[in-house]
Amino acid sequence: DVKVTQSSRYLVKRTGEKVFLECVQDMDHENMFWYRQDPGLGLRLIYFSYDVKMKEKGDIPEGYSVSREKKERFSLILESASTNQTSMYLCASDSSYEQYFGPGTRLTVT
Amino acid sequence: LAKTTQPISMDSYEGQEVNITCSHNNIATNDYITWYQQFPSQGPRFIIQGYKTKVTNEVASLFIPADRKSSTLSLPRVSLSDTAVYYCLVAQMDSSYKLIFGSGTRLLVRP
Repeated sequence: DVKVTQSSRYLVKRTGEKVFLECVQDMDHENMFWYRQDPGLGLRLIYFSYDVKMKEKGDIPEGYSVSREKKERFSLILESASTNQTSMYLCASDSSYEQYFGPGTRLTVT
Repeated sequence: LAKTTQPISMDSYEGQEVNITCSHNNIATNDYITWYQQFPSQGPRFIIQGYKTKVTNEVASLFIPADRKSSTLSLPRVSLSDTAVYYCLVAQMDSSYKLIFGSGTRLLVRP
């Protein structure tokens, strides 16, 4: 079975802090994604990566950056966290259009 | 970009068949249609995927008409555990590889 893991299930950070969200997949998938999910807005794509060191902006990249130094790992970085980045963050990897999601990280910025 | 539209919510009863329709008027030739299920505090889980006509697996069927401007997820004989949010996804395989989730349909199955 494909497994996508995220470093934390719950995270609380202060405004202005730098935040790292880590995601690891074990199926050698080339494509990896970061989404955020907010009530009433569904899933929105932040960034995706189709290869090591390659990245593309999604629909809402502002305030975020990403890093993919190894194929299995895709990191989401909030350079200076703000309260409007309080959300559920979901990582995914895919194979032939089927995406496999991690359990999510619920981030609260106070 | 193909925008998707789904009903916000649906109610059903145990044992009934549930059909959830997704509209994607601007779907492109190379797009695939995929449906996901999400329970609270979990990531979405793949249900079924199709390109045209009908696809069936052990949990659902997916109907796609010839014009591909809509698709219908069919869940036979739902149970209480099928209460979840269902997302329609259009996989757009152009150079930007943008994936578009619908707003999701919240299905409530009552006893």
